[in-house]
Amino acid sequence: LAKTTQPISMDSYEGQEVNITCSHNNIATNDYITWYQQFPSQGPRFIIQGYKTKVTNEVASLFIPADRKSSTLSLPRVSLSDTAVYYCLVGDGTSGTYKYIFGTGTRLKVLA
Amino acid sequence: EPEVTQTPSHQVTQMGQEVILRCVPISNHLYFYWYRQILGQKVEFLVSFYNNEISEKSEIFDDQFSVERPDGSNFTLKIRSTKLEDSAMYFCASSEGGPGYNEQFFGPGTRLTVL
Repeated sequence: LAKTTQPISMDSYEGQEVNITCSHNNIATNDYITWYQQFPSQGPRFIIQGYKTKVTNEVASLFIPADRKSSTLSLPRVSLSDTAVYYCLVGDGTSGTYKYIFGTGTRLKVLA
Repeated sequence: EPEVTQTPSHQVTQMGQEVILRCVPISNHLYFYWYRQILGQKVEFLVSFYNNEISEKSEIFDDQFSVERPDGSNFTLKIRSTKLEDSAMYFCASSEGGPGYNEQFFGPGTRLTVL
């Protein structure tokens, strides 16, 4: 089964750009890469989704290299309220069926 | 803004008892999911559901688990005989599209405590 890995934790200061990378070697061919944010005792909340190259929305950018075996979530100018756990989510089709695999999660702490 | 709702927010049960966790997905969504999250761990996929049948399930989703869409709005997860290790947050999610289209909308979760 695919292993989707992320750094366990990161610290940053307010106003800085934060980049979080996820590796997903067995991503399914037609699958999108999605990133979620999770606050304590809440469900994950959608941030951004992409298939390849670069995607940008009002809160983040997502960079995906040509081989799609990894992706990088970029949060510009983080604030204290961005302190949360960030997960990538990919689909794994290697076993012949399709399963959703969350990354191991990156705990981002934003410091004043 | 439409949202996924879940009830109850917290369920306490004795080992061996049956529990039913309830979810109301977003009304125009066609795909439904259950995930669980053991305290301090990552979110784990349990099952996906489309067109009134299971699309995919993980190794966690054994014979003790079942899902149902009993009417046009509810989506339920049943655990037949709970074990201590079933204690976790259970999240329901829904999406417009299916595999590959991963913009899933998650509910607030049900915290299940098995004593």
